[in-house]
Amino acid sequence: EVQLLQSGGLLGRPGGSLRLSCAASGFTLNSYAMNWVRQAPGKGLEWVSSISGTGATTYYTDSVKGRFTISKDDSKNTLFLQMDGLRADDTALYYCVRNGYNHVAFDMWGQGTMVTVSS
Amino acid sequence: EIVLTQSPDTLSLSPGERATLSCRASQRVTSSYIAWYQQKPGQAPRLLISVASIRATGIPDRFSGSGSGTDFTLSISRLEPEDFAVYYCQHYGNAPYNFGQGTKLDIK
Repeated sequence: EVQLLQSGGLLGRPGGSLRLSCAASGFTLNSYAMNWVRQAPGKGLEWVSSISGTGATTYYTDSVKGRFTISKDDSKNTLFLQMDGLRADDTALYYCVRNGYNHVAFDMWGQGTMVTVSS
Repeated sequence: EIVLTQSPDTLSLSPGERATLSCRASQRVTSSYIAWYQQKPGQAPRLLISVASIRATGIPDRFSGSGSGTDFTLSISRLEPEDFAVYYCQHYGNAPYNFGQGTKLDIK
């Protein structure tokens, strides 16, 4: 079955670090660009970061630049988001999302990982 | 950076009616790289439309997208009970891949 399986909910402290993971099954990560999208409680969707299929190119929204790092391990077919310098406003449900082929947009979404940043 | 503004914020309609949702971009969107998503409570978003007008696999033909340049529209021809949800547009041509703030479609 083609799916994205994300790690369970995490609690982090302000200024601390967390790492999210997302395991892909039914397709290979090196064939697709991948993304992280977050949604704060009761709010809309916010694109966070992207990585190309080769892993050579990464992008970040301004609010996480220098704090978050997107990466992947193609041998384990797993996507990661390293979150450092956590802030309270990073509290959100984080979705792992696949970019489709041939101009198709974000066509597959994981179930989400709830990240709570609190002292 | 392209900023997307959706209107209205909330749209109240009855089943069987036609819905028209708007998404306006702050600058011209190249190659019409606009997508539309549907999100129901407690669920991940679902892709409806890519490249402004191409329905994703399995999406009913009552959903249609149109537009170019800076103005884009999602239309739902005859609302079914399961269509009441929040809808987001997104620009995905070049990073940052911003989303609009969403339009909540609720039952009148």
